[in-house]
Amino acid sequence: QKEVEQNSGPLSVPEGAIASLNCTYSDRVSQSFFWYRQYSGKSPELIMSIYSNGDKEDGRFTAQLNKASQYVSLLIRDSQPSDSATYLCAVNPGGQNFVFGPGTRLSVLP
Amino acid sequence: DVKVTQSSRYLVKRTGEKVFLECVQDMDHENMFWYRQDPGLGLRLIYFSYDVKMKEKGDIPEGYSVSREKKERFSLILESASTNQTSMYLCASSSFVSNTEAFFGQGTRLTVV
Repeated sequence: QKEVEQNSGPLSVPEGAIASLNCTYSDRVSQSFFWYRQYSGKSPELIMSIYSNGDKEDGRFTAQLNKASQYVSLLIRDSQPSDSATYLCAVNPGGQNFVFGPGTRLSVLP
Repeated sequence: DVKVTQSSRYLVKRTGEKVFLECVQDMDHENMFWYRQDPGLGLRLIYFSYDVKMKEKGDIPEGYSVSREKKERFSLILESASTNQTSMYLCASSSFVSNTEAFFGQGTRLTVV
């Protein structure tokens, strides 16, 4: 059974702080990793994709991948109240399907 | 701009009705997926398709069927709707070739009464 695990939260951070979201996955052959943001009642939207070990930065967002530890994280710098949402980690284990984690609910407090 | 469009944003159906949820993508993607999302249970895969007329069962296919007669369209069918199928249904598509991310439609909130 391929699994993706995340802390369900809620994770609360003050405005302007760094939010750190974590994800672990069970399938060692996984090659593609994604972070989605989902606002309440809306569909998931892609924030970041990462395919190789290390860091990938896009604006206030940084994704980090460590395949040896089977760990992927998302850092949100200068967190804003508009970042309050559920963040889904998704893994493509090499087939045509995606495995999603349960999501971490983030609350950024003004 | 990439687009996955679901036919309805909100639907209310009666128990026992046959329900069709339609999804169309304009990205020429090979893969299409149907998920349902419930509070505390996350995204659960119902069915996916990697080619026209091909389908694979996901984690929770019971009570559902699918149809993919054209590459751009993937339909989810509830043969006889029940109240426990009240949920948010999400369609997604992805490229077989590039193995990149899944793109989601706007979701259909189905209520079965």
